[in-house]
Amino acid sequence: AQKVTQAQTEISVVEKEDVTLDCVYETRDTTYYLFWYKQPPSGELVFLIRRNSFDEQNEISGRYSWNFQKSTSSFNFTITASQVVDSAVYFCALSEDNTDKLIFGTGTRLQVFP
Amino acid sequence: GAGVSQSPSNKVTEKGKDVELRCDPISGHTALYWYRQSLGQGLEFLIYFQGNSAPDKSGLPSDRFSAERTGGSVSTLTIQRTQQEDSAVYLCASSFLAGGDYEQYFGPGTRLTVT
Repeated sequence: AQKVTQAQTEISVVEKEDVTLDCVYETRDTTYYLFWYKQPPSGELVFLIRRNSFDEQNEISGRYSWNFQKSTSSFNFTITASQVVDSAVYFCALSEDNTDKLIFGTGTRLQVFP
Repeated sequence: GAGVSQSPSNKVTEKGKDVELRCDPISGHTALYWYRQSLGQGLEFLIYFQGNSAPDKSGLPSDRFSAERTGGSVSTLTIQRTQQEDSAVYLCASSFLAGGDYEQYFGPGTRLTVT
């Protein structure tokens, strides 16, 4: 069965701190895809990144970076030098090759204080 | 370009009434998905359409829920005989094609409140 676990319900940091959001997934498929979405207070889900199961290279995009490790079934997300605008709920999601639908974690609420 | 749009943005209805929620996907996107977000259940998949293929209805919680997609574009999610537990934000998403290689772009959602 497929499952995504985001154990951190809420994280609070002060601006400029680095913060890592954890995501652990379960799947029996060998081909799958992992995603991160951001949901700011406005409510609309914003796509951040997609990774397929064959690409374990870490990715950096500005202050954002992602660490995909199949050995631990994790796809963690790090924000460097956090800013107040990073305050949002972040969702990790899984899509298996034979289903296409997204299975979401419960989300991590990040609050960045000035 | 225009993103996914949904209407209405808010809907308040009485228990037992039927409601229709509309989704306009991004032009050219062949796959369309419905999800709902509620406090108790988080974000959960409801149904998706890919081109002319039969929809995947595996996430619909009961037979009171149905959806259709006309002309491969606009979709309507219908909830019959609404119950209070149907209160949630209903999110629509579209992607160029179905499958994990294509990210899903989400609309702003319709907040449904059943009184």
